[in-house]
Amino acid sequence: AQSVTQPDIHITVSEGASLELRCNYSYGATPYLFWYVQSPGQGLQLLLKYFSGDTLVQGIKGFEAEFKRSQSSFNLRKPSVHWSDAAEYFCAVAPGGYQKVTFGTGTKLQVIP
Amino acid sequence: DTGVSQDPRHKITKRGQNVTFRCDPISEHNRLYWYRQTLGQGPEFLTYFQNEAQLEKSRLLSDRFSAERPKGSFSTLEIQRTEQGDSAMYLCASSFGDQPQHFGDGTRLSIL
Repeated sequence: AQSVTQPDIHITVSEGASLELRCNYSYGATPYLFWYVQSPGQGLQLLLKYFSGDTLVQGIKGFEAEFKRSQSSFNLRKPSVHWSDAAEYFCAVAPGGYQKVTFGTGTKLQVIP
Repeated sequence: DTGVSQDPRHKITKRGQNVTFRCDPISEHNRLYWYRQTLGQGPEFLTYFQNEAQLEKSRLLSDRFSAERPKGSFSTLEIQRTEQGDSAMYLCASSFGDQPQHFGDGTRLSIL
């Protein structure tokens, strides 16, 4: 069965600093990988996805993520964080496409001035 | 594109009561998904429809839960004889085929 681990429950960064959120997945084959963001009281928004090809994927709002098969990781990065990035971030995995998506437990990002 | 709409946004009920939530997907979307999200967890898949057909149900969806999408447009999720453990955010999402899901803002259920 597929699973996702987000080891950091809560991260605090200063505005303007760089960000890396960790995600490790477990799946027998090459999975479909996603990062979603959720603001308080709202639904989820897709930031980026990896299906195949270039292992460095670009997303919306200046985010990127790198797929590393050898480490079973799909970490999310942003070079300079803005206060509006404060939210909860979910890594997710699926065996194919957007069905049967399994989400991680999330990382809550706090941005301080 | 008016987005995915869920109603109500918040439901408070007593244990043992029945509750029903409604989801209106984006109009041209033929797939509709229901998820449950408890505090400190990511969303967990419950079920999904393609048009009016319910194609998959998670083992999380006990006999007390039922979902319908009678005309392939809006969907309802009913929970009968609610229990404390049903307290959660219930999220609906829709998509056109196997495309990215668009999520609603959810219905938060609180069981007294």
